[in-house]
Amino acid sequence: QKEVEQDPGPLSVPEGAIVSLNCTYSNSAFQYFMWYRQYSRKGPELLMYTYSSGNKEDGRFTAQVDKSSKYISLFIRDSQPSDSATYLCAMGPGSGGYQKVTFGTGTKLQVIP
Amino acid sequence: EAQVTQNPRYLITVTGKKLTVTCSQNMNHEYMSWYRQDPGLGLRQIYYSMNVEVTDKGDVPEGYKVSRKEKRNFPLILESPSPNQTSLYFCASSLYEGQPQHFGDGTRLSIL
Repeated sequence: QKEVEQDPGPLSVPEGAIVSLNCTYSNSAFQYFMWYRQYSRKGPELLMYTYSSGNKEDGRFTAQVDKSSKYISLFIRDSQPSDSATYLCAMGPGSGGYQKVTFGTGTKLQVIP
Repeated sequence: EAQVTQNPRYLITVTGKKLTVTCSQNMNHEYMSWYRQDPGLGLRQIYYSMNVEVTDKGDVPEGYKVSRKEKRNFPLILESPSPNQTSLYFCASSLYEGQPQHFGDGTRLSIL
């Protein structure tokens, strides 16, 4: 079983839809959680960074962490064609030993005009 | 502009011919790392460095070497490339280990 599971998609939605992207994980030591966006032929860029459980909002993006269920989500409101990309979740232990970051395999999102 | 720069962006080469992929960051970051990205497998860490002259193996280090002689540079060396090293490679850096990382735009390597 992988430490981090992410549905690869692809996920196709019409412009303006609310998008929900999710990851599950098995390592209870994970304390901090990130979402990266990766456009074609580009490197991943950080979208959201959260520590421990709860919600964090940034414009049209909301990151949600439920440590009791080992489940994290990224919501995109009013999705735009420019949101079409692959979204990677990532997480790390936050304390003790080497702070290795573990990535999900990515979900490919297409927003159709 | 804060950035991680990789070169080359694309390379097609043959088995056994030594190659180096350069990586440079201008953010004075302590931590640097190399990943390979393969379909269905996601990003896998090859090597990382916590500071100058300090490097360690990641999850898939076989067939690769790195060095960190200066803080800004972290080259990836394939001494004798093989076809199973055909992949998309990313260099990344962060202020310290465990912090969100800045990624380069990738190097697509094809080993024939």
